Amino acid sequence: SQQGEEDPQALSIQEGENATMNCSYKTSINNLQWYRQNSGRGLVHLILIRSNEREKHSGRLRVTLDTSKKSSSLLITASRAADTASYFCATDAIIQGAQKLVFGQGTRLTINP
Amino acid sequence: EPEVTQTPSHQVTQMGQEVILRCVPISNHLYFYWYRQILGQKVEFLVSFYNNEISEKSEIFDDQFSVERPDGSNFTLKIRSTKLEDSAMYFCASRRGFLIGQYFGPGTRLTVT
Repeated sequence: SQQGEEDPQALSIQEGENATMNCSYKTSINNLQWYRQNSGRGLVHLILIRSNEREKHSGRLRVTLDTSKKSSSLLITASRAADTASYFCATDAIIQGAQKLVFGQGTRLTINP
Repeated sequence: EPEVTQTPSHQVTQMGQEVILRCVPISNHLYFYWYRQILGQKVEFLVSFYNNEISEKSEIFDDQFSVERPDGSNFTLKIRSTKLEDSAMYFCASRRGFLIGQYFGPGTRLTVT
């Protein structure tokens, strides 16, 4: 089944360090999206990368996509305490009208002050 | 910036009762979704809706579930007879097109007792 799986499941770093989270998936995709979720709260859309793109930047976020390896990474540079949250990748494949996002289990990121 | 809104933020109901979760998608969006997240688990797709009909539904979305867009702005999820295992956070999402990310509402936490 098509599924995003994040790695690591949990990551704890010091404020100011960079955080890298990885995502792997199994089937062909149209795009891959990253979301952030603060504990018990809603999902915030961070960035979308299309299948024909290899890298995308948004502020302190950098996303890469390697379709040959079916993997993506999210890099947060110069982390801040406010970046503490769970981060999910979600794959988006449109097959015969299917439009759903398939989420991974997420990476719980803790930024220590 | 336009947002997806959901009401109520928290709903407590007794097993066997009907609940209706409400969402107001972003106004120029065309595709609408419901997802759920059981505590500590990943976000799961329930149903997608386009052009006033369901375009895809998951195995979770059985006969107890229904969706409606009654008035061109609201998008509702009804659970006819709630079960304990329906306790979860329910997220509504909308998107304008396939090449654009899905935008999620803040969620409704449903607690079935």
